[in-house]
Amino acid sequence: NAGVMQNPRHLVRRRGQEARLRCSPMKGHSHVYWYRQLPEEGLKFMVYLQKENIIDESGMPKERFSAEFPKEGPSILRIQQVVRGDSAAYFCASSQDSGANVLTFGAGSRLTVL
Amino acid sequence: GQSLEQPSEVTAVEGAIVQINCTYQTSGFYGLSWYQQHDGGAPTFLSYNALDGLEETGRFSSFLSRSDSYGYLLLQELQMKDSASYFCAVSLNTGGFKTIFGAGTRLFVKA
Repeated sequence: NAGVMQNPRHLVRRRGQEARLRCSPMKGHSHVYWYRQLPEEGLKFMVYLQKENIIDESGMPKERFSAEFPKEGPSILRIQQVVRGDSAAYFCASSQDSGANVLTFGAGSRLTVL
Repeated sequence: GQSLEQPSEVTAVEGAIVQINCTYQTSGFYGLSWYQQHDGGAPTFLSYNALDGLEETGRFSSFLSRSDSYGYLLLQELQMKDSASYFCAVSLNTGGFKTIFGAGTRLFVKA
């Protein structure tokens, strides 16, 4: 069981470019969550998805950020026209059921915006 | 809004016992969980409480009092490798389930 797979692990972008972060949940998990973490801070909830559905995107900025979890393939967090303030670690987690009782996290994708 | 409060930092010596408290103000509370994160690593699940009382898992125990909106993580027989950040997190049912995290408590274990 490969666990939650995120890629890329590290991504460098210049201001104005796009960043795409991918997440494959654990086998058998159909619930995916994205979190953002700034250095020395906690995990900030961004979005909760099930296959082909966004369940809760209350933590996602209204502009430039979008997320999807298609029927086939990984979940993708997309950041358009990145700014320096987007530099952070982005963690994906998955769970087996909808209770979100136990989240299994990926290793994270660290985005640096120059 | 939703908020969780936990101490920012705790220091203890090897072999000691340390308790990390967490208070929360949320709506749609479903359960309280704890995660450990080492520097540069991913958060890993430690424990979950849905009901009042103590849950024990090896050296770690977690407690919840729903009426007090309070919980704690108890770490016994501290080891150097326990130096990490510890996050309390609440699972919320707000139409769909999600988990929100506190800011974390950084634990330093000294020899």
